[in-house]
Amino acid sequence: RKEVEQDPGPFNVPEGATVAFNCTYSNSASQSFFWYRQDCRKEPKLLMSVYSSGNEDGRFTAQLNRASQYISLLIRDSKLSDSATYLCVVNIGNQFYFGTGTSLTVIP
Amino acid sequence: EAGVVQSPRYKIIEKKQPVAFWCNPISGHNTLYWYLQNLGQGPELLIRYENEEAVDDSQLPKDRFSAERLKGVDSTLKIQPAELGDSAVYLCASSSPGSSTEAFFGQGTRLTVV
Repeated sequence: RKEVEQDPGPFNVPEGATVAFNCTYSNSASQSFFWYRQDCRKEPKLLMSVYSSGNEDGRFTAQLNRASQYISLLIRDSKLSDSATYLCVVNIGNQFYFGTGTSLTVIP
Repeated sequence: EAGVVQSPRYKIIEKKQPVAFWCNPISGHNTLYWYLQNLGQGPELLIRYENEEAVDDSQLPKDRFSAERLKGVDSTLKIQPAELGDSAVYLCASSSPGSSTEAFFGQGTRLTVV
């Protein structure tokens, strides 16, 4: 069983739409949580960390539900530049485990 | 501050040939990771170093893959002999101590085995 499960999509949404990505993790010992963004043929880069209380960064909101072992990312007012793959990541004992990524294309 | 540096960026080799990748992590980062990423998949860990010690190499195919991190700074990953199925992007990442810190990635080496 994979440590992190994500819906690979693809998600194709119009500009200005709100889109939500979800992922689940299997190990309750997971210590920290992240969303990474990966552009085509580029390396993954941190989008935001995810905290138990939920956190927001501009148009992006991340939520963590430890009881359900569930992480979400909400993108409001989607921009063309948001088109990328979004990777859900958990850290267990200084080891990072990645989901397969969810592909997002924002359409004009 | 310089990020994680990897070389080469691209490599094309014939099957059964050897190949090596190099990574220089961010200065001060004790932990170094080698990941393999296939198209449409997330990165999968090959090996993790804490300083010069390989603390998790359970996913490294040891019959053909080897890695080293002498002096606990830069690292090399080698494949000998390469197979067609090894074609992928090899990503190096580093992080500083602490479970809440992020991993920083290099640009990766795109390997094509023909």
